[in-house]
Amino acid sequence: NAGVTQTPKFQVLKTGQSMTLQCAQDMNHNSMYWYRQDPGMGLRLIYYSASEGTTDKGEVPNGYNVSRLNKREFSLRLESAAPSQTSVYFCASILQILNTEAFFGQGTRLTVV
Amino acid sequence: KQEVTQIPAALSVPEGENLVLNCSFTDSAIYNLQWFRQDPGKGLTSLLLIQSSQREQTSGRLNASLDKSSGRSTLYIAASQPGDSATYLCAVINDYKLSFGAGTTVTVRA
Repeated sequence: NAGVTQTPKFQVLKTGQSMTLQCAQDMNHNSMYWYRQDPGMGLRLIYYSASEGTTDKGEVPNGYNVSRLNKREFSLRLESAAPSQTSVYFCASILQILNTEAFFGQGTRLTVV
Repeated sequence: KQEVTQIPAALSVPEGENLVLNCSFTDSAIYNLQWFRQDPGKGLTSLLLIQSSQREQTSGRLNASLDKSSGRSTLYIAASQPGDSATYLCAVINDYKLSFGAGTTVTVRA
């Protein structure tokens, strides 16, 4: 049981390049999330998908887009990377928001130069 | 907007001492509260989930309490060990979102 898998683990981009961060969970969870973690700022929600077929903005959505491809997969796209998007990105999933725990992937460390 | 605060930001204790980590939140209409551990350069590992109807949850040396009406949770770690050194994060869950505190970084000295 792999849990939540993120790819890639590390990435360096040049300013203006685009890329997609991939996230897949094998626990049949309904809700999925993308967070970024920056020193001194904690984890901030970028986008989330409460259920398959829906996506909503979180606290810091500017510069990002998401796709809930199916129940298992939730991808995060940076269309034109900026140095301010240098961060560690985490994907998470939850089976049922009311009474089950969230599980996190191991993170993607992204550097934009 | 839910605001989550964790105090203290950092804590250093000798091995064997009990740890007390605090989490407060502004909106008491939460579904659950979850405590996580994060080691440097790693992801988040779930420690305990407290549902809104519960007052307390225990797992081994860990005990977490929840006072929803006052917007507070406390994580107790008994008889700390050097392996407990990590950052501890609390997250409150409402409106389909998890809101995190900035964490408490714990160092247990051997």
